[in-house]
Amino acid sequence: GAGVSQTPSNKVTEKGKYVELRCDPISGHTALYWYRQSLGQGPEFLIYFQGTGAADDSGLPNDRFFAVRPEGSVSTLKIQRTERGDSAVYLCASSLGDRGRNTEAFFGQGTRLTVV
Amino acid sequence: GDSVTQMEGPVTLSEEAFLTINCTYTATGYPSLFWYVQYPGEGLQLLLKATKADDKGSNKGFEATYRKETTSFHLEKGSVQVSDSAVYFCALFGSGGSNYKLTFGKGTLLTVNP
Repeated sequence: GAGVSQTPSNKVTEKGKYVELRCDPISGHTALYWYRQSLGQGPEFLIYFQGTGAADDSGLPNDRFFAVRPEGSVSTLKIQRTERGDSAVYLCASSLGDRGRNTEAFFGQGTRLTVV
Repeated sequence: GDSVTQMEGPVTLSEEAFLTINCTYTATGYPSLFWYVQYPGEGLQLLLKATKADDKGSNKGFEATYRKETTSFHLEKGSVQVSDSAVYFCALFGSGGSNYKLTFGKGTLLTVNP
């Protein structure tokens, strides 16, 4: 497709369960980002990939969160032992370049995660 | 660290009214500044940007000027339409080593009534 695709669009899970959220970036985009948007807040940075490697994972809240991008394209955000406080919209974005002022990030529509 | 503060919403206007959404920032160096928009049911979209002081970003009738002296990037539109109803986010890319990481404000919900 033409844009960043995220699946599922909605996910309801029980406290303590494991979830995986998928992001399919725009073809050819080497940079990929995950953000989390809680209700009434702006998106907050979680992790940045350049190619296959996580260049900056400083935004991951704790070790229950992990993300991979094994082939430098699709990325999966994994959350173990989910807690109610993990409920949020998880946004993925991709961009062409490595770094730089003129590199636009394109966002997917997000996955709304609800932990009950 | 970097931060963005934007006007609390919601903002409700009548069609053709003038819009201002205030945004101020805190950052070291020379960040790039952005306005993103999120229409109902859609993902975040870049509305406009400015990469250096005194630059003016513009798109779809919206404008914002990068004011380094007041650390501001206020969004304006002279005549809003019903179709402008959305959530607007001010954001910045830090300079130097963190110029890939967007820092967002909390967002401002705009509703335009016919």
